[in-house]
Amino acid sequence: DAGVTQSPTHLIKTRGQHVTLRCSPISGHKSVSWYQQVLGQGPQFIFQYYEKEERGRGNFPDRFSARQFPNYSSELNVNALLLGDSALYLCASSLGGASNQPQHFGDGTRLSIL
Amino acid sequence: QKEVEQNSGPLSVPEGAIASLNCTYSDRGSQSFFWYRQYSGKSPELIMFIYSNGDKEDGRFTAQLNKASQYVSLLIRDSQPSDSATYLCAVNIGTGRRALTFGSGTRLQVQP
Repeated sequence: DAGVTQSPTHLIKTRGQHVTLRCSPISGHKSVSWYQQVLGQGPQFIFQYYEKEERGRGNFPDRFSARQFPNYSSELNVNALLLGDSALYLCASSLGGASNQPQHFGDGTRLSIL
Repeated sequence: QKEVEQNSGPLSVPEGAIASLNCTYSDRGSQSFFWYRQYSGKSPELIMFIYSNGDKEDGRFTAQLNKASQYVSLLIRDSQPSDSATYLCAVNIGTGRRALTFGSGTRLQVQP
């Protein structure tokens, strides 16, 4: 079975641009979470969606937004990119939205801001 | 105080030894605890999860949880060079909260 798939794998943008990252969860999983990971740190929570509704938001500015589609795939949008947005963006899926559901990560999108 | 704390390492162990990785967390209300392995340049891979006090074993891996001490650990028996990676501890901080809070990870080096 396919795992969590993310696209694109790598992306290079310049300051001020916007970006859209995409994620398809494991088949049967209804919850998707987004994390940002900078070098040397653990992933930081950005958003969680379950059944197309936002169920949690981390401490990120309003430039970050996301949505989940009826097929449970998800997009993360970041506007007005800053140099500090350079990071690995990870999508994780889980069966349901409960806190004890293990989350499985995709390979990530590596975003570089010039 | 960080919500989830791990020693950054590196923790160096010889091949065949037991590697012991430790994690402390700040919120007594936390209910779910996860260990992920992350190879350099790759994404985190779930290896263990534990919800109840005590030990949980899966192959060469044992997760240990002590909620009274707010402490969770991962033991890797018969360590192999392929176990060399960064190990991330993740906790659902706060009652009912679904997001994972990660530590910064412990880098493990298994010497052949």
